[in-house]
Amino acid sequence: ELKVEQNPLFLSMQEGKNYTIYCNYSTTSDRLYWYRQDPGKSLESLFVLLSNGAVKQEGRLMASLDTKARLSTLHITAAVHDLSATYFCAVRAGTYKYIFGTGTRLKVLA
Amino acid sequence: KAGVTQTPRYLIKTRGQQVTLSCSPISGHRSVSWYQQTPGQGLQFLFEYFSETQRNKGNFPGRFSGRQFSNSRSEMNVSTLELGDSALYLCASSLTGDPSRPLRNEQFFGPGTRLTVL
Repeated sequence: ELKVEQNPLFLSMQEGKNYTIYCNYSTTSDRLYWYRQDPGKSLESLFVLLSNGAVKQEGRLMASLDTKARLSTLHITAAVHDLSATYFCAVRAGTYKYIFGTGTRLKVLA
Repeated sequence: KAGVTQTPRYLIKTRGQQVTLSCSPISGHRSVSWYQQTPGQGLQFLFEYFSETQRNKGNFPGRFSGRQFSNSRSEMNVSTLELGDSALYLCASSLTGDPSRPLRNEQFFGPGTRLTVL
């Protein structure tokens, strides 16, 4: 069955720094999603990536997809405290079914 | 436009009991998926419904079941509760869930129901 791995699991970074979260998946899939979850809250959709080479950007976050490498990245530029949250990637694993990554808990320190 | 709503938000049950959770999708959305979120296992897919039909299910025991009504509202039921069923249960709705139309397939999540089994 499709497996989705994220790394790192935990990330503590200083404000103003850049970092990248990686999402690897084990079998072919045609789309990938990124979500954000704040403590005690639900998931908020960030990006939908539909094709090889797709790149989406929103504010300080940029997501990309390489379907050949089965890899997506979520790049954080000049982190700010408000970006502290847990980030999940999710991959379509067959009809009407999605597999989520383990999540990356990001803490941005002032 | 109102978002996905889930009731109740918090629930405490004891082992052996059963529980029913409810999810009302965004108006016009016809696909509802359910997920279980735990610290140890992360987010795991339970099942997906569209037009009152279950179209896919995850690897959960038969104690976990669901249904969808004609107005797209969905319920999930867990019978004979176990301690390990303690989790945040999330539902997500999308317009069609049609994989050939990914932008209409985007899932919007509800706030979740926090179930504690004692």
